Amino acid sequence: ETGVTQSPTHLIKTRGQQVTLRCSSQSGHNTVSWYQQALGQGPQFIFQYYREEENGRGNFPPRFSGLQFPNYSSELNVNALELDDSALYLCASSLETDRQYFGPGTRLTVT
Amino acid sequence: GQQLNQSPQSMFIQEGEDVSMNCTSSSIFNTWLWYKQDPGEGPVLLIALYKAGELTSNGRLTAQFGITRKDSFLNISASIPSDVGIYFCAGPQRNAGNMLTFGGGTRLMVKP
Repeated sequence: ETGVTQSPTHLIKTRGQQVTLRCSSQSGHNTVSWYQQALGQGPQFIFQYYREEENGRGNFPPRFSGLQFPNYSSELNVNALELDDSALYLCASSLETDRQYFGPGTRLTVT
Repeated sequence: GQQLNQSPQSMFIQEGEDVSMNCTSSSIFNTWLWYKQDPGEGPVLLIALYKAGELTSNGRLTAQFGITRKDSFLNISASIPSDVGIYFCAGPQRNAGNMLTFGGGTRLMVKP
């Protein structure tokens, strides 16, 4: 158990809709990173939040956006969903180090 | 961007056998991380390496940080059925918020 929780566990959305995924970081951790993992591949970095500010972004379009709250929990929002957005979305928390601890993920299916 | 190449892509071994897998990069990394992912779960951190040449163990797992800083190795001794899963190497990119770059993974299957 890493202490990182994510909700919901599974989600089915229709193309064009919007989705919000949530993550609670491990107690004491001030950094949350989000990753997208397509089937059969390694996770791909979306962005990172450190003390409520975006602290780095991967090669994802602006329709992927996020927030971090004062308690360091975080949200990932995806607008105008596309079929290729179907994936496992992982959040990872850390305390200003390289060691990132992952939650169980949210499985998003876009139909 | 930086890419990590893992080999082999998959392994099917007999319970009790030792396992070796590796991860290579065209760029230097200052940290190497090894994760294991079970089906439907998030990756779990196994070992972190911070220094070239470093050898670190976690139970039956041993990982090494390559001298060139462009590779890392993970060994599992006396494999058991619960070792089944996908093993990922990862390295942080310091110029992008310590974002982790992951390899494609090595799928390990253990035959009882």
